Amino acid sequence: GAVVSQHPSRVICKSGTSVKIECRSLDFQATTMFWYRQFPKQSLMLMATSNEGSKATYEQGVEKDKFLINHASLTLSTLTVTSAHPEDSSFYICSAPGTTQETQYFGPGTRLLVL
Amino acid sequence: SQQGEEDPQALSIQEGENATMNCSYKTSINNLQWYRQNSGRGLVHLILIRSNEREKHSGRLRVTLDTSKKSSSLLITASRAADTASYFCATGGNAGNMLTFGGGTRLMVKP
Repeated sequence: GAVVSQHPSRVICKSGTSVKIECRSLDFQATTMFWYRQFPKQSLMLMATSNEGSKATYEQGVEKDKFLINHASLTLSTLTVTSAHPEDSSFYICSAPGTTQETQYFGPGTRLLVL
Repeated sequence: SQQGEEDPQALSIQEGENATMNCSYKTSINNLQWYRQNSGRGLVHLILIRSNEREKHSGRLRVTLDTSKKSSSLLITASRAADTASYFCATGGNAGNMLTFGGGTRLMVKP
């Protein structure tokens, strides 16, 4: 089946630094990818929709200048957490729709810890 | 924002027992999906049921959908310790295939 990868799987950074997370569709093309954030023992909350070749669409309450999304190719979307703070520590998961456009394939997630 | 609630939030059963999880949602949907998440991992798609379907089976999984009550249930029969995970329902609406997730049920199956 379709595979989505994320890199890195885990990152620890100092407060104030920026962190880039990559999401790749390995054997299929994805014009759209989704970025979710999941706090411990909570559900996934959609942050933004990444659109290849155009601007991302952000959910209400998500700062677009803090969470920069770039979807430069049909297989890669990146999420950059700028000037990270401890409250940004979370599990970030990306997904891409499958060929039926109904289900989604999820990456393994990136655990971010900001000290 | 989250679409709805899942019930129960946590469930602990013995191996071999059945596990039932419920999900309620708020808006009209095209389909409802169930996903599984092992601790600290990504999500794995389990089963999809469309709005015009009432019941669907896949192996030990049985999903029901009641659009009049805006609710769904996931039944795992003859549970195994390996079924221990969090289970989420997610709805796909008219806005393409963007998914909105429920709060999830943490299932623990004791050997």
